[in-house]
Amino acid sequence: DAKTTQPPSMDCAEGRAANLPCNHSTISGNEYVYWYRQIHSQGPQYIIHGLKNNETNEMASLIITEDRKSSTLILPHATLRDTAVYYCIATLNSGGSNYKLTFGKGTLLTVNP
Amino acid sequence: DAGVIQSPRHEVTEMGQEVTLRCKPISGHNSLFWYRQTMMRGLELLIYFNNNVPIDDSGMPEDRFSAKMPNASFSTLKIQPSEPRDSAVYFCASSLSSGSQFFGPGTRLTVL
Repeated sequence: DAKTTQPPSMDCAEGRAANLPCNHSTISGNEYVYWYRQIHSQGPQYIIHGLKNNETNEMASLIITEDRKSSTLILPHATLRDTAVYYCIATLNSGGSNYKLTFGKGTLLTVNP
Repeated sequence: DAGVIQSPRHEVTEMGQEVTLRCKPISGHNSLFWYRQTMMRGLELLIYFNNNVPIDDSGMPEDRFSAKMPNASFSTLKIQPSEPRDSAVYFCASSLSSGSQFFGPGTRLTVL
């Protein structure tokens, strides 16, 4: 798995967009970018993943740069319940087989009222 | 959908005792993962199974740890004998072959 680098912490005002950056400059061509989050005392929760195109779902948007060396997770309207540690993971996703997730330290996002 | 079910949610035991953690994956998922989380080491993958077969156990810390998956709906992680340094939150997760992983609520283990 390619190494990812994230800021240790970020703050965001409630109702505003939260933009969480991730650097993965050594990512290989067949590695996907996954985002998970972990709310205090709960198991990690899948958010979104992508290969090279931008992705959007009901939870968030994922913007991947054209060179794929970095990405940004966007929570469009952050709420207090979005306070969590957010993990960016670059990993293979060999369809038809399982894959491994290597969790780093992530970014602690604190949404303030 | 009940999600991934883990039991017990909390376990307190004394050093030297055997501990068995249990996991029921989401029905239809064919991959199962065991993770351990501590403040010092973060979230670590211990072992994962695909179609009930252990694929990679390189994360299992030592021979005191063992995991089994006798069928598609049940897995156990056993520690024998347990030691204080095994205290952690143990998570089980399941997925379809190439899908995102769904995590259970975890088992908080305290070894005195």
